[in-house]
Amino acid sequence: ETGVTQTPRHLVMGMTNKKSLKCEQHLGHNAMYWYKQSAKKPLELMFVYNFKEQTENNSVPSRFSPECPNSSHLFLHLHTLQPEDSALYLCASSLMPGQSSYGYTFGSGTRLTVV
Amino acid sequence: GQQVMQIPQYQHVQEGEDFTTYCNSSTTLSNIQWYKQRPGGHPVFLIQLVKSGEVKKQKRLTFQFGEAKKNSSLHITATQTTDVGTYFCAWFGNEKLTFGTGTRLTIIP
Repeated sequence: ETGVTQTPRHLVMGMTNKKSLKCEQHLGHNAMYWYKQSAKKPLELMFVYNFKEQTENNSVPSRFSPECPNSSHLFLHLHTLQPEDSALYLCASSLMPGQSSYGYTFGSGTRLTVV
Repeated sequence: GQQVMQIPQYQHVQEGEDFTTYCNSSTTLSNIQWYKQRPGGHPVFLIQLVKSGEVKKQKRLTFQFGEAKKNSSLHITATQTTDVGTYFCAWFGNEKLTFGTGTRLTIIP
């Protein structure tokens, strides 16, 4: 366990489905992030939340909708996805927003397959 | 705009040989971090370098930050099968942590 827990570990969904990914951390971190990792692309930052306020939306399509009810929990709501959205979705957290000399702590990820 | 290249993309080495991956930037970096991702796993933070010319060691791993703070390297001495994985550099810009393309290391026993 990394201290950042993601559920589910695997998800298969149809293009018309609605699902949510969940991320939880009890490290006392104040910033949380969603990254997308595809087979042929580097890790892509999707969203940044600092003290539960969204501070970054990295040109992500509206079919991805993040939610951060408090500094320990982060959700990614998915609807009407495309097959090219299939990827590993990684949640991360850091002690403070922006630079962190302790690095980011990643969860184990959700492997998403859109059919 | 800023461009950071990580090379090589893949590296296959015999167990016991050394391994090095490089990150080269077109502009000065404020700091650089290194992560390791095992096959089927998630990125794990290894280290952060901040100072010009900085060198840090973790057992068989040596991390360097160039004098001009435009390049960095990760060197593994006498690789072991446990070193298998993808090594990423990452840097902060506009308060975002951006990752390099990674170097995938495979070990031939």
